[in-house]
Amino acid sequence: DAGVTQSPTHLIKTRGQHVTLRCSPISGHKSVSWYQQVLGQGPQFIFQYYEKEERGRGNFPDRFSARQFPNYSSELNVNALLLGDSALYLCASSLRGFAEAFFGQGTRLTVV
Amino acid sequence: GDSVTQMEGPVTLSEEAFLTINCTYTATGYPSLFWYVQYPGEGLQLLLKATKADDKGSNKGFEATYRKETTSFHLEKGSVQVSDSAVYFCALDRGDAGNKLTFGGGTRVLVKP
Repeated sequence: DAGVTQSPTHLIKTRGQHVTLRCSPISGHKSVSWYQQVLGQGPQFIFQYYEKEERGRGNFPDRFSARQFPNYSSELNVNALLLGDSALYLCASSLRGFAEAFFGQGTRLTVV
Repeated sequence: GDSVTQMEGPVTLSEEAFLTINCTYTATGYPSLFWYVQYPGEGLQLLLKATKADDKGSNKGFEATYRKETTSFHLEKGSVQVSDSAVYFCALDRGDAGNKLTFGGGTRVLVKP
């Protein structure tokens, strides 16, 4: 079975641009969460979606948005990119609360 | 709000040495506690977990016990190998509908032969 897949694996954007990151959860998983991991730090929670509804939001500006589709895949959108948005963006899926979260390999975003 | 504090690294050990990484947390209610490991260039992998007080999680020789009285979840391994070199993250989860993890800052462990 495929694990959590994220695309693209790497990308470089210019300040002020917009970016869309994609995540496909493990088959049967209905929960997807997004995390930002700045180099040398622990991941920070951005969004949680369960059954296509937003169920949690971390302390991130409104430039960050996300959605979950009927097939449970998800997109993370970031507008007006800043240099500080450069990070590894991780997607994780799980069956339900308190269950194991399975992480994808991440998307490495570099803003120049 | 919720928070997780873990000892800063790097921790450098010789092979077969004893490893302890301290982790304490602040959270309301009864979170589940986790240790994740991140090998170079890879995503996060669950190492072990505990869902209630006094539970002991264990995997691959690693152990951690959920201590509610001290709000701690220290990671231990009796004899480390070079292959254990990685970054270890302590985390808690109060998500009732999927994962909503709060991570510590990570501890880099380097095991030398």
